[in-house]
Amino acid sequence: GAGVSQSPSNKVTEKGKDVELRCDPISGHTALYWYRQSLGQGLEFLIYFQGNSAPDKSGLPSDRFSAERTGGSVSTLTIQRTQQEDSAVYLCASSLVSSGDYNEQFFGPGTRLTVL
Amino acid sequence: RKEVEQDPGPFNVPEGATVAFNCTYSNSASQSFFWYRQDCRKEPKLLMSVYSSGNEDGRFTAQLNRASQYISLLIRDSKLSDSATYLCVVNRSGNTGKLIFGQGTTLQVKP
Repeated sequence: GAGVSQSPSNKVTEKGKDVELRCDPISGHTALYWYRQSLGQGLEFLIYFQGNSAPDKSGLPSDRFSAERTGGSVSTLTIQRTQQEDSAVYLCASSLVSSGDYNEQFFGPGTRLTVL
Repeated sequence: RKEVEQDPGPFNVPEGATVAFNCTYSNSASQSFFWYRQDCRKEPKLLMSVYSSGNEDGRFTAQLNRASQYISLLIRDSKLSDSATYLCVVNRSGNTGKLIFGQGTTLQVKP
């Protein structure tokens, strides 16, 4: 079946411009996560959506970052007034939410953002 | 100090070698523990969960020491295809919620 998809796969933008990154989770997965990975670094949590609950935004690095999830499915991560330090790979993941064993997070291929 | 710390390596080993990766975590409230594998320029994928009693999956053995806040991964009889970055991951929230990743340990298996 289809995995997590993200678009665009690559985005080059100029400093100060806004960008939107899209994530399509696996069908039926109610939890959706955004992470970013800078060069040579581990993944850094950004935001987490679960069903209709208020999202966990504790990882967003500044108020230039925002995300929404419409209809409990597709999510968009928006970065306003991009800075060079925003350059990274932005990864989306989704998982089922249920009691019991760990609900594996399945990652998309990521969007590689380069801010010039 | 990072919440999850790993030796970044790289570890360069010959085929057939046994290699061990270590990881420490600082938050004693962490509840779930995992090893993910990430190939170059690819997304991370779950390798295995780590249970308190230790667990094995083929050539891979994972161990957890909650008292020392220490996690390990042992790979026996290394294959060329094991070359990747291995990410130590913890979850504070049980079976859902955000994952906290270590920086990763890079393994290069040589012929």
